[in-house]
Amino acid sequence: DSGVTQTPKHLITATGQRVTLRCSPRSGDLSVYWYQQSLDQGLQFLIQYYNGEERAKGNILERFSAQQFPDLHSELNLSSLELGDSALYFCASSVGFNSNQPQHFGDGTRLSIL
Amino acid sequence: DQQVKQNSPSLSVQEGRISILNCDYTNSMFDYFLWYKKYPAEGPTFLISISSIKDKNEDGRFTVFLNKSAKHLSLHIVPSQPGDSAVYFCAVKRGSNYQLIWGAGTKLIIKP
Repeated sequence: DSGVTQTPKHLITATGQRVTLRCSPRSGDLSVYWYQQSLDQGLQFLIQYYNGEERAKGNILERFSAQQFPDLHSELNLSSLELGDSALYFCASSVGFNSNQPQHFGDGTRLSIL
Repeated sequence: DQQVKQNSPSLSVQEGRISILNCDYTNSMFDYFLWYKKYPAEGPTFLISISSIKDKNEDGRFTVFLNKSAKHLSLHIVPSQPGDSAVYFCAVKRGSNYQLIWGAGTKLIIKP
């Protein structure tokens, strides 16, 4: 158990819809990262928050947004969903913002767009 | 433009033997390298890492080797055990750039 909680585990929705994925980081971790993993590919970094502030941005589409709340949980919002958005979305957390410390991952949310 | 490549999608090894997983990268500016292990329906779990100032790091049965001139990273598992069957990802990062860049993974199957 990594201590990182992601909800929901599975999400099935239709094109054009909007969904929210939630992540609770490990206790004591201030950084939250979001990743997307499409079929048989590596994880693609989307965005990082540290203590409520956006810290780094990767290949995140404009239709996607995220935030980190004062209690340090984070939400990833995906809107105007397309078939290609079907993927596993992982959240990870770490203590620092620029650290070579390992990131601890949740079990992911599997998003299926019909 | 794949900056990190794991060219073997899968690898099958006999229990008790050595497993060697490989990873190649393109950018000589990468300075920190990590291996993660992933079981089905779970998130990746950190395994071992190495900084570019070293060429080897050991942790129990796991050893990571870094060949900077060849831009090549390898993970050795000795001896291989059934519980090692998983997908292994290498990931790299560059200095103050916070992003981890991930390979596509290698599925390791340990045969009894």
